[in-house]
Amino acid sequence: DTGVSQDPRHKITKRGQNVTFRCDPISEHNRLYWYRQTLGQGPEFLTYFQNEAQLEKSRLLSDRFSAERPKGSFSTLEIQRTEQGDSAMYLCASRDTDTQYFGPGTRLTVL
Amino acid sequence: GQQLNQSPQSMFIQEGEDVSMNCTSSSIFNTWLWYKQDPGEGPVLLIALYKAGELTSNGRLTAQFGITRKDSFLNISASIPSDVGIYFCAGPKNNNAGNMLTFGGGTRLMVKP
Repeated sequence: DTGVSQDPRHKITKRGQNVTFRCDPISEHNRLYWYRQTLGQGPEFLTYFQNEAQLEKSRLLSDRFSAERPKGSFSTLEIQRTEQGDSAMYLCASRDTDTQYFGPGTRLTVL
Repeated sequence: GQQLNQSPQSMFIQEGEDVSMNCTSSSIFNTWLWYKQDPGEGPVLLIALYKAGELTSNGRLTAQFGITRKDSFLNISASIPSDVGIYFCAGPKNNNAGNMLTFGGGTRLMVKP
């Protein structure tokens, strides 16, 4: 399968714990995006990388959130001191010249 | 900020019926995208529209980019049970080079066999 992959698919954690998600984009796609989707809503943009450079961050990305793409390939999204409001689907997408292709998402539940 | 408004929010139709849904914005978009999302999965691109007035088909799906560049519609003909899902319109935020997408709230389609 050469699509965008995300790991884990599901994560349940207790409030206050740190979590990290991984995204492997389609190879040779230099642009990688993170979105968050809450129940009943469309995805909302969080942050965007071109190669290893993080070029834009949404105001939704609080100080507790950090994203990296150290070698311009896979990316990680870390949430520190999770809160119940962080419960959502976290989607990763990578882009060729025209189209963003989404991964299956990581569903986070904070208890 | 930019918002995309989708209607209807949900539809419950009989298998074989045609479906029409639309998306409007107060801002101009240079690209309109239609995605479908199945439960527990990421959105999958159905149709991309790049030019005002453009009408594009993908099998039983047809989408049009409105002349004003502030709206788009998606039609599904002869619906089948696997059409069930949430349909999102999307476009690049502020038509920026980074191509971050703004999504509508979605239209949930339910098909009765």
